[in-house]
Amino acid sequence: DAGITQSPRHKVTETGTPVTLRCHQTENHRYMYWYRQDPGHGLRLIHYSYGVKDTDKGEVSDGYSVSRSKTEDFLLTLESATSSQTSVYFCAISEQGGTDTQYFGPGTRLTVL
Amino acid sequence: GEDVEQSLFLSVREGDSSVINCTYTDSSSTYLYWYKQEPGAGLQLLTYIFSNMDMKQDQRLTVLLNKKDKHLSLRIADTQTGDSAIYFCAEKEGGSNYKLTFGKGTLLTVNP
Repeated sequence: DAGITQSPRHKVTETGTPVTLRCHQTENHRYMYWYRQDPGHGLRLIHYSYGVKDTDKGEVSDGYSVSRSKTEDFLLTLESATSSQTSVYFCAISEQGGTDTQYFGPGTRLTVL
Repeated sequence: GEDVEQSLFLSVREGDSSVINCTYTDSSSTYLYWYKQEPGAGLQLLTYIFSNMDMKQDQRLTVLLNKKDKHLSLRIADTQTGDSAIYFCAEKEGGSNYKLTFGKGTLLTVNP
């Protein structure tokens, strides 16, 4: 398995509070991604990074920000959590070239009350 | 934008073959992938196929690609209860270094 960890694995928080999810990789892959998975919607890309300090928006980026200060870490922040952000969040990594396969972390289940 | 469609559910008997279908819209897709997600886990890459191939076989898995019809299928031979999971089809958009578009997933239920 690709060396990807996510923390925390489960979190319950209240509406309006800030939340930061962490993705850590040991593969030295250039690209990192944050997705959310919701019933009926499959996987949707929130933000991605193509290098240290290089990030861009995905299709559902409103209400989320990201940062990548080191190759191995990609942080997802909900500045003020809302109930609509209750979801399972997955981090993925990939390397440019070859098959461009994305490898996924185990996920973080976030509940916003 | 690009779209990937899958049927949502499939139920089979243990020992039968399962066929999960997927259609996509991007004619310039370079790679297409099948991922498996077990309950409470992340997505695990099962296999992939390059767009210039028609078929790829890997043990019990057979991937068929009809590029003209933009149709991809995953056949699982001798389906076992451990194959029960959600299966996602994904395509890598042509011209993109990174972006994958995923289908909504097919829940495969294997009955004993």
